[in-house]
Order: sequence, then C-alpha cells, then structure tokens
Amino acid sequence: KQEVTQIPAALSVPEGENLVLNCSFTDSAIYNLQWFRQDPGKGLTSLLLIQSSQREQTSGRLNASLDKSSGRSTLYIAASQPGDSATYLCAVNGGTGGFKTIFGAGTRLFVKA
Amino acid sequence: DAGVIQSPRHEVTEMGQEVTLRCKPISGHNSLFWYRQTMMRGLELLIYFNNNVPIDDSGMPEDRFSAKMPNASFSTLKIQPSEPRDSAVYFCASRETGANYGYTFGSGTRLTVV
Repeated sequence: KQEVTQIPAALSVPEGENLVLNCSFTDSAIYNLQWFRQDPGKGLTSLLLIQSSQREQTSGRLNASLDKSSGRSTLYIAASQPGDSATYLCAVNGGTGGFKTIFGAGTRLFVKA
Repeated sequence: DAGVIQSPRHEVTEMGQEVTLRCKPISGHNSLFWYRQTMMRGLELLIYFNNNVPIDDSGMPEDRFSAKMPNASFSTLKIQPSEPRDSAVYFCASRETGANYGYTFGSGTRLTVV
C-alpha cells in the first residue's frame, strides 16, 4: 500500500532563503509525481508534474527532483518570498492507469518579510 | 480555459437536508475525480469517472453519498441526508485520460452542515 510522507510538516524561513521540501513514498511503481500549492481556503494549484522517467522539472524559482528508486522527491524553492507562503502537497500517481493517487499531508510554509 | 468550475463555493445546510455539489471539468479532460478534504483526514478520493463512467467509488463513505456524470461536461455529488460530519471542503478535479497526465483542481465547495 502506497504511503506518502512530507517532511517537515511546517517550516518558517526569512525572506530570500533557499529551501527544500521533501516528499517520500513507499512504492516506487509510480507513473508520476505532482507538486501542488494550496493557499488557505483555496483549491490546489499545480506547480510541477514530474514523470517517472524524468529526474527533474523546473518552473521559474521552483525545481522538483525525483529519485524513484529511493522513493523521494524534493521541491526546491529559490530566493523565497512572502508570497510563497502556503501549504505544499505532493501527490503520487500509481495503480492501474495512474488512477491511484495518494496525497501527502503537506508542508505548511511561512516566509517572513 | 476557465479551468475546473465548481458550484456553489459555500454551502450551509441543516442536518437531514439534501445537498448537491456541481462540477464542470475542463473540456477534453475525460477523467473526473471528487475529493474531500478535512483537517483530520487530509485529501480523500471519493469517486472517479473515466469517459463519464464511474470506475471506482470505494471512497464514498456511505450510501448517503452518490455521484453522477450524465455527460462529459457535468458531474454532481449528492449527499442525502446530510450530517454534521459531512462538513468539509469538496474538490472536483479533472485530467486527460492517461497515466502521464496531471490533475487540475477546482476551487472547491466548502460545506457546513449544522
């Protein structure tokens, strides 16, 4: 049974700091992994989708890496800004047709001005 | 593209009443998912459809919950009768058919049952 863990559960950093959010999963038979951002009271916004055959994906200040064999993904945020404050969730897609998606509990990030 | 559209955004109802949540997926997305999010349990998949056909409803908590997708552009999630423990944020998500695609989520419906 796939289990997805995100560490840390919460993180507070000063503005400008580079930071890494971690996501680990127990079953390496996945199709892809998706990182989302969720602002309080809002829906999930997709940040990056990384396929199982890929090692990393980049979008602006964000970089996601995937090491399927070790069951790990990281989301790197460069030069953090107060606007980055949100909860970040990773979702691991597996199962038949990639319909078995397991979400992590999220990392709550607070970037102080 | 307007994204995944959910209505209503907020719903407050009394225990025992019927509640219907609505979702319009992105055009061309053949898979549709209903999720529920609570502080205690996080995001839980309730049911998903592929080409308008329900594929897996094992996440639907009880017979009080039902979902339909009469056509490719519309789905409903109904709770009858509603109970206070159903209070949560309900999200609809869609994606193209195929394991390599990612999800697009709607803004959610915040349901409060009093």
